[in-house]
Amino acid sequence: DTGVSQNPRHKITKRGQNVTFRCDPISEHNRLYWYRQTLGQGPEFLTYFQNEAQLEKSRLLSDRFSAERPKGSFSTLEIQRTEQGDSAMYLCASSSRVALDNEQFFGPGTRLTVL
Amino acid sequence: GESVGLHLPTLSVQEGDNSIINCAYSNSASDYFIWYKQESGKGPQFIIDIRSNMDKRQGQRVTVLLNKTVKHLSLQIAATQPGDSAVYFCAERIGGSARQLTFGSGTQLTVLP
Repeated sequence: DTGVSQNPRHKITKRGQNVTFRCDPISEHNRLYWYRQTLGQGPEFLTYFQNEAQLEKSRLLSDRFSAERPKGSFSTLEIQRTEQGDSAMYLCASSSRVALDNEQFFGPGTRLTVL
Repeated sequence: GESVGLHLPTLSVQEGDNSIINCAYSNSASDYFIWYKQESGKGPQFIIDIRSNMDKRQGQRVTVLLNKTVKHLSLQIAATQPGDSAVYFCAERIGGSARQLTFGSGTQLTVLP
């Protein structure tokens, strides 16, 4: 399967704990995005990488959130001191540099539940 | 603020009928639009896209129409099938160097037998 993969698929944690999610984009894609989706809502943009450079960050990305893409391939999203309001589906997407537009391919997401 | 929105949260259609899902957007600077389909427990799946210099684009059983005058986007699905049941989102990209997509809240399409 050459699509976007995310791990873990589900994460349950207690409030105050740190969690880290991983995203592996489609191999030839240089652009990688993180979104957050709550029940009944559309995905909300969090951050965007082009290769290893983090070029855009949403106001939603508080200082408890940090994302990295150290080698321009996979990316990690870490949430420190989790709060119940962080419970959501975290989606990763990737797109190609050669795409004229912005067709983003999404992974299956990581569902986070903070107790 | 400016946002992408949908007219109806739910839509039920008979199998074999055509479906039309509507979306309103308010950012005149948006230059690219995408429709995604999302099934329960899965990530959004690309359906079709359209650039702002076009007013219609067709795919396999799907057509997207863009009316920039009234800032309206629609997705037409021909001969709707049970497998089309899902939540459909429209998304827009504001022109320029921005790469992020702004999504609406979605329409739940249910195909009745």
